[in-house]
Amino acid sequence: KAGVTQTPRYLIKTRGQQVTLSCSPISGHRSVSWYQQTPGQGLQFLFEYFSETQRNKGNFPGRFSGRQFSNSRSEMNVSTLELGDSALYLCASSPVVGNEKLFFGSGTQLSVL
Amino acid sequence: AQKITQTQPGMFVQEKEAVTLDCTYDTSDQSYGLFWYKQPSSGEMIFLIYQGSYDEQNATEGRYSLNFQKARKSANLVISASQLGDSAMYFCAMREAETSYDKVIFGPGTSLSVIP
Repeated sequence: KAGVTQTPRYLIKTRGQQVTLSCSPISGHRSVSWYQQTPGQGLQFLFEYFSETQRNKGNFPGRFSGRQFSNSRSEMNVSTLELGDSALYLCASSPVVGNEKLFFGSGTQLSVL
Repeated sequence: AQKITQTQPGMFVQEKEAVTLDCTYDTSDQSYGLFWYKQPSSGEMIFLIYQGSYDEQNATEGRYSLNFQKARKSANLVISASQLGDSAMYFCAMREAETSYDKVIFGPGTSLSVIP
């Protein structure tokens, strides 16, 4: 069974640009959540989707948005990039909401110059 | 307020020895779950072990065991017989079932180095 797939693995952007990251969950998993990881702030919850609906959102500005498609694949978008958005963005999936275990992808390393 | 505290930024352990990574948490929920994840340098978060707040027995998964002390709100990870491949960042995390959906809060992590 394929794991959680995140693309691209690395991304370099400049300030003011926008970026879209993709996450394909494990087959059959319907819940997808996103996390931002930085050396200073650690792992912070961005948002969680279940059956194409955003169920929960972390404390991030509106520049961070996401969506989930009918096949459970998810995308997150960051508009008007800032230097502080440089981070590892991790996606996790689970079969249902509130499941014990989150399965993580390898992440997308975003660098904003 | 910090909900998950890991007081050991870095730890060293000799190969084949056991090591305990500390984690304390703060919640007013009665139902919650506690996790430990491992993050090697590759970046992927690897699930290690889970403990539910109502579980009476401490969770074990192979060489990993969770020392759950509910009254003290601590959930320490014990790794027995350390291996070189155990060198990684270790994160304690909590999901509060009553107040959020799939929002998992992570601690700051402990960097473990296994010495040959």
